[in-house]
Amino acid sequence: DSGVTQTPKHLITATGQRVTLRCSPRSGDLSVYWYQQSLDQGLQFLIHYYNGEERAKGNILERFSAQQFPDLHSELNLSSLELGDSALYFCASSGGGGTLTEAFFGQGTRLTVV
Amino acid sequence: GQSLEQPSEVTAVEGAIVQINCTYQTSGFYGLSWYQQHDGGAPTFLSYNALDGLEETGRFSSFLSRSDSYGYLLLQELQMKDSASYFCAVLSSGSARQLTFGSGTQLTVLP
Repeated sequence: DSGVTQTPKHLITATGQRVTLRCSPRSGDLSVYWYQQSLDQGLQFLIHYYNGEERAKGNILERFSAQQFPDLHSELNLSSLELGDSALYFCASSGGGGTLTEAFFGQGTRLTVV
Repeated sequence: GQSLEQPSEVTAVEGAIVQINCTYQTSGFYGLSWYQQHDGGAPTFLSYNALDGLEETGRFSSFLSRSDSYGYLLLQELQMKDSASYFCAVLSSGSARQLTFGSGTQLTVLP
């Protein structure tokens, strides 16, 4: 158990809908990263938050947004869903602002858009 | 931006040694990490190199050459359970920390 919790584990929704994925980082970790992994693909970096502030943005679509709350949990919002958004979405957390030598991943949310 | 290249597939037999290479281009380099992912599972951390040289952790070793923007993961005494995807990842330096992953190498260990 990495200590990172993602909910829900599975999500099936229709095109055009909006969903929210939730991530609770390890206790004490200030950084949260979100990644998208499509079938047989690598981990595409979406966004990084540190202590509530956005730090870096990757190839995140405008239809996607994220935030990190004061209690450090994070949510990834996906709207106007398309079939191509079907993927595993991982969040990872790591220690505060200094070195990041190890990121701990949650078990992921498998999103299926039908 | 950041980009990483690693082989897409590697096959080896049980008990053998395999090396997975990773070359990277990044604007601001802090360190190189390696992660293992079994099918459908969460990636798990294997090793991290910030300085040039070899880091050894049991059967796994990782090497970094900052001047060559190159690293590798060395797996010794391969076991069937080592069949998985292996990702190198670059941590960029500066305030905009970004952990960028390569596309992964699928390792198949044959009996």
